[in-house]
Amino acid sequence: GAGVSQSPSNKVTEKGKDVELRCDPISGHTALYWYRQSLGQGLEFLIYFQGNSAPDKSGLPSDRFSAERTGGSVSTLTIQRTQQEDSAVYLCASSLGLRAPQHFGDGTRLSIL
Amino acid sequence: DQQVKQNSPSLSVQEGRISILNCDYTNSMFDYFLWYKKYPAEGPTFLISISSIKDKNEDGRFTVFLNKSAKHLSLHIVPSQPGDSAVYFCAASARDSSYKLIFGSGTRLLVRP
Repeated sequence: GAGVSQSPSNKVTEKGKDVELRCDPISGHTALYWYRQSLGQGLEFLIYFQGNSAPDKSGLPSDRFSAERTGGSVSTLTIQRTQQEDSAVYLCASSLGLRAPQHFGDGTRLSIL
Repeated sequence: DQQVKQNSPSLSVQEGRISILNCDYTNSMFDYFLWYKKYPAEGPTFLISISSIKDKNEDGRFTVFLNKSAKHLSLHIVPSQPGDSAVYFCAASARDSSYKLIFGSGTRLLVRP
């Protein structure tokens, strides 16, 4: 499809395990973003990638969270030693550049038991 | 401290009438504002945006109004349709971190047939 693709759509795992979430942005979009939405809340910015520039990681909640973007396209968000408070919907977005509307994927619903 | 606030968690309107969704912000550095619509189990979909150099932007049935002195924006949907029933998020970004969207907590709109 032409939109942002995220996988898996749902992930259930035990506390303490590592998880990896994947995002495939819209082709040609140079900017990629990760957000998190906890129950009943708005979206919370996590990290931003733009081309070959150093990413803005200022929204990552702890050092258990990391993200990378390979070849300027696909991105993975990794959460190590998951905790119950990590349970949320993780959303990826991409855009043509700064100030262009961000287009979102359908998210990964992460549940930590 | 919430920089973008949507004080009404829900709104119910009759089909054909006007829906008005409100959003307040506190950061005077915000200069770009967006509205997104979100259906359950889907990612947010971009609706309309406005730059702080304008006070109104219109796209079909959707109009966004910006009152900079009051730090307030609103989304008008006229006429409302049952398919408009969704959660609406307003978002803002600042000049010095224009890629980082700050979201409100959303307003659930129900349009009754």
